[in-house]
Amino acid sequence: EVQLVESGGGLVQPGGSLRLSCAASGFTFSSYEMNWVRQAPGKGLEWVSYITGSGSIIYYADSVKGRFTISRDNAKNSLYLQMNSLRAEDTAVYYCARGPGSAVGYWGQGTLVTVSS
Amino acid sequence: QSALTQPPSASGSPGQSVTISCTGTSSDVGGYNYVSWYQQHPGKAPKLMIYEVTKRPSGVPDRFSGSKSGNTASLTVSGLQAEDEADYYCSSYGGSNNVIFGGGTKLTVL
Repeated sequence: EVQLVESGGGLVQPGGSLRLSCAASGFTFSSYEMNWVRQAPGKGLEWVSYITGSGSIIYYADSVKGRFTISRDNAKNSLYLQMNSLRAEDTAVYYCARGPGSAVGYWGQGTLVTVSS
Repeated sequence: QSALTQPPSASGSPGQSVTISCTGTSSDVGGYNYVSWYQQHPGKAPKLMIYEVTKRPSGVPDRFSGSKSGNTASLTVSGLQAEDEADYYCSSYGGSNNVIFGGGTKLTVL
């Protein structure tokens, strides 16, 4: 069974940093593209970032480019999102999601990031 | 790029059919056959219902179908059931290596 479990969310001050992790199991992690997708409270979905199975190709939404860094450790079956220079508008539930960005077939349960002073 | 345009709400009675639209531009919805639809129940993660405009993942009932005409994609839910009440989001490859979502449609089963 495919499982994606996010962790690392929490309360952080504006300008601060946070690192999200996603532990994957139930499939050959290195064979799959992965994404981070977020959802602000009461709002819609927003794609954040994408990485290929090997990690060689990475894309970001314009809203996070230069501030967020996606990475993966295939030996640890883990996906990461390093978030720097956080803003209030980054407050959201962050989902780890498997598949091409245009068709994400598996989602984690999400981890809440709150940016507030 | 701007979010895709969806109606904020839609409704239908059990057994009826309802169609939700998703309007973009020739640079996203109209330019690629990479439109997906997601169902999200309150407090839950989204679930992929349709991908590549018309394809259904394994396990998704055939009551759910997708289509596209020009810059507008549509999700049709036939034979509405109480459990279909949820938020529905469309997404499209947006070119320039990004993905765009719609604002979401709250489907109410009357």
